[in-house]
Amino acid sequence: EVQLVQSGAEVKKPGESLKISCKGSGYSFTEYWIGWVRQMPGKGLEWMGIIYPGDSDTRYSPSFRGQVTISADESITTAYLQWSSLKASDTAVYHCARLAGDSLIYDGFNIWGQGTMVTVSS
Amino acid sequence: QSVLTQPPSASGTPGQRVTISCSGSSSNIGGNSVNWYQQVPGTAPKLLIYRDNERPSGVPDRFSGSKSGISASLAISGLQSEDEADYYCGAWDDSLGGLFGGGTKVTVL
Repeated sequence: EVQLVQSGAEVKKPGESLKISCKGSGYSFTEYWIGWVRQMPGKGLEWMGIIYPGDSDTRYSPSFRGQVTISADESITTAYLQWSSLKASDTAVYHCARLAGDSLIYDGFNIWGQGTMVTVSS
Repeated sequence: QSVLTQPPSASGTPGQRVTISCSGSSSNIGGNSVNWYQQVPGTAPKLLIYRDNERPSGVPDRFSGSKSGISASLAISGLQSEDEADYYCGAWDDSLGGLFGGGTKVTVL
């Protein structure tokens, strides 16, 4: 079964760092793009960025470039989203998702993780 | 305010047909594919339509997608109570990267 399993919920203080994970299984991890999507409480989906684990090609939304870092470790088939200094406004559910094919222009996200709730509060 | 514009809400009675629009520009919908997602609150989104009008296996044929110019639409025919959810369009933008619409909440009356 193709699946993405995300790390558990996190509660952090402003200014702290954080790295959450998304482990892929059941498919060739290096051959599919994995993206990250933010969903703030009661709000819609926001596309953050995407990585191709095969060569680490990474694209960021202008809204998130410089705010987060996306990476992947193909040896353990895991993608990551990290912050160096969290803000209260980073409180949200973060979804990882895999593209259905190899085209950023044509393919949608057909496999989704269960989401990771990140709460940032003093 | 999202680059891809959707109406915030839509509704219908069981059995009716509901249509959701998604408006963009030549740098996204006009030149690239549109995908549609369904999200029941508290769960992960689900791909409903890809490449403008293709359905993944397992998605009922009550759901259909279309595109014309810089606008796309998702139609739900024979609306059912389990269709009550949030629906998002998505597309790649040549300058901005990936985009989602603001989402449309569908209510079954």
